[in-house]
Amino acid sequence: GQSLEQPSEVTAVEGAIVQINCTYQTSGFYGLSWYQQHDGGAPTFLSYNGLDGLEETGRFSSFLSRSDSYGYLLLQELQMKDSASYFCAVYSGNTPLVFGKGTRLSVIA
Amino acid sequence: SAVISQKPSRDICQRGTSLTIQCQVDSQVTMMFWYRQQPGQSLTLIATANQGSEATYESGFVIDKFPISRPNLTFSTLTVSNMSPEDSSIYLCSVLSDYGYTFGSGTRLTVV
Repeated sequence: GQSLEQPSEVTAVEGAIVQINCTYQTSGFYGLSWYQQHDGGAPTFLSYNGLDGLEETGRFSSFLSRSDSYGYLLLQELQMKDSASYFCAVYSGNTPLVFGKGTRLSVIA
Repeated sequence: SAVISQKPSRDICQRGTSLTIQCQVDSQVTMMFWYRQQPGQSLTLIATANQGSEATYESGFVIDKFPISRPNLTFSTLTVSNMSPEDSSIYLCSVLSDYGYTFGSGTRLTVV
């Protein structure tokens, strides 16, 4: 089976940096994805890590350590519009994504 | 990336009735999935919709309750049958293409 653990809630101040961690247990692993979902919206793709290390896309970065079964999403220069739920998801090849329970990020002024 | 048109976007249904949700993709895709997202929860896979054959259901989901059709490589439907208030959720289709996973905009279902 597969399981992913991430914090349920995080609160951070506008302009700050926040890190959302994700640990996983899986039989078969290709990579770790991150999705953002605003209330009432569909999940949108943020990043994918297939190899160890840091991937940077603008204000968002994602990190993976395959040996530690661990990854994180780093959000810099937080904006109010970043308030949303963030899901890590394991990709195991041509199979459906398995999602973590999600982290609700609240950005406050 | 693939573009998905999902309909309806929302509906309010009476218990005991059925609702069919449609997903149309702008390109041919082999892998198509249906997820359920209960209020405040994560996405749970219902089934993989296989073109030309029966869908593959996850534990806890059965064909009689959630029949799925996949007549071709660009279209699929999910029916939520004999609905009860516990079926109130967001239902999302997803496809895997050369560009990765893409999600439909979701169907917000309320059963009263």
